[in-house]
Amino acid sequence: SQKIEQNSEALNIQEGKTATLTCNYTNYSPAYLQWYRQDPGRGPVFLLLIRENEKEKRKERLKVTFDTTLKQSLFHITASQPADSATYLCALDRYPGGSYIPTFGRGTSLIVHP
Amino acid sequence: GAVVSQHPSRVICKSGTSVKIECRSLDFQATTMFWYRQFPKKSLMLMATSNEGSKATYEQGVEKDKFLINHASLTLSTLTVTSAHPEDSSFYICSARVEGSSYEQYFGPGTRLTVT
Repeated sequence: SQKIEQNSEALNIQEGKTATLTCNYTNYSPAYLQWYRQDPGRGPVFLLLIRENEKEKRKERLKVTFDTTLKQSLFHITASQPADSATYLCALDRYPGGSYIPTFGRGTSLIVHP
Repeated sequence: GAVVSQHPSRVICKSGTSVKIECRSLDFQATTMFWYRQFPKKSLMLMATSNEGSKATYEQGVEKDKFLINHASLTLSTLTVTSAHPEDSSFYICSARVEGSSYEQYFGPGTRLTVT
């Protein structure tokens, strides 16, 4: 069966360090992968999308890598700040019968300590 | 940017009653919207795909007669929880995709439903 795995344990880091979150998947052949941020009691917010032919994508302090051989994406936040504390979700699309159906991992909680 | 609103943000209802949640795309048209529910510290669980002008596509295990979805226009989808029970208490979130663009989703702020 198709699975998306994210580390369920919270990641605690000190302000200024780089946070690295992992998303592994099985039984998918995604054309792209997405990362979202979710704050408690709120809907997720789109951050980045990376396509299968892209190894790396950057947006300000965010960087995403996508290794389709390892079936893994890494999400980095450089110079982390306490305001970056949130849950980060990775998402892939299934493609049954002509429609793209989104599927999310459980998310990893990031806590940045001042 | 693309904005999605949801109403109400919180609702408390009694067992056996029905609750309607609205999801609107404010500055774009959405042929497809998605409805999710989320339990505390759990992942988003896709309930159904809402298609404008046609029947919703429900995920396996989701009761279509209990969770009625209507997508009457390109900017509005509604989810009605019928004959609500305490186990229906959850966080319900909708999302929409901007047609013709990339595949990112824009989420509403969510609706916290509590059934007493």
